[in-house]
Amino acid sequence: GDSVTQMEGPVTLSEEACLTINCTYTATGYPSLFWYVQYPGEGLQLLLKATKADDKGSNKGFEATYRKETTSFHLEKGSVQVSDSAVYFCALSFKAAGNKLTFGGGTRVLVKP
Amino acid sequence: DAGITQSPRHKVTETGTPVTLRCHQTENHRYMYWYRQDPGHGLRLIHYSYGVKDTDKGEVSDGYSVSRSKTEDFLLTLESATSSQTSVYFCAISDSRLPLGDEQFFGPGTRLTVL
Repeated sequence: GDSVTQMEGPVTLSEEACLTINCTYTATGYPSLFWYVQYPGEGLQLLLKATKADDKGSNKGFEATYRKETTSFHLEKGSVQVSDSAVYFCALSFKAAGNKLTFGGGTRVLVKP
Repeated sequence: DAGITQSPRHKVTETGTPVTLRCHQTENHRYMYWYRQDPGHGLRLIHYSYGVKDTDKGEVSDGYSVSRSKTEDFLLTLESATSSQTSVYFCAISDSRLPLGDEQFFGPGTRLTVL
């Protein structure tokens, strides 16, 4: 079946540092790829997405590029803020299969001032 | 914010008791989902619905049942709760008929503790 693997955390950074969270996937076909973010005590929010190879999703200074050849969708931000402290989830879905999401295990990020 | 509410938001119950969680949406979205969130596992799909009275199993459906008698409500029932069902439960919605139809919108979650 489909699966998503992302780096385990926690990741601890200082403010203004660069952040990279690795995500790779296994799927039959070409899924849509997503990054969701969960702030403390809240539900999940869509951060960005990409629906086909070489697409780049971006939002709030975060970026991720859909790499078909390496089946990856790594999340990057050039300068993190304390407010970026959260849990980040990589996920995939197929629209033809009811948009059911398959998630990675999540990566907790803590940004210190 | 998408109009999704979950009730109750917190519940403590005892092993062997039945529990029903409710998800309510005001968006008229076709698809509704129940996920559970556990440390190290991310979120895993329990059941989903693709229309009124149309439901299907997800990855971790054992011990759970669902019902959808109207578009706006999706109920998750634990017939006889066990400690392994202690988790945070999230409801989500989507609608592939819409321009951004592959996106899911999540509710605030229900924290369930089974003693």
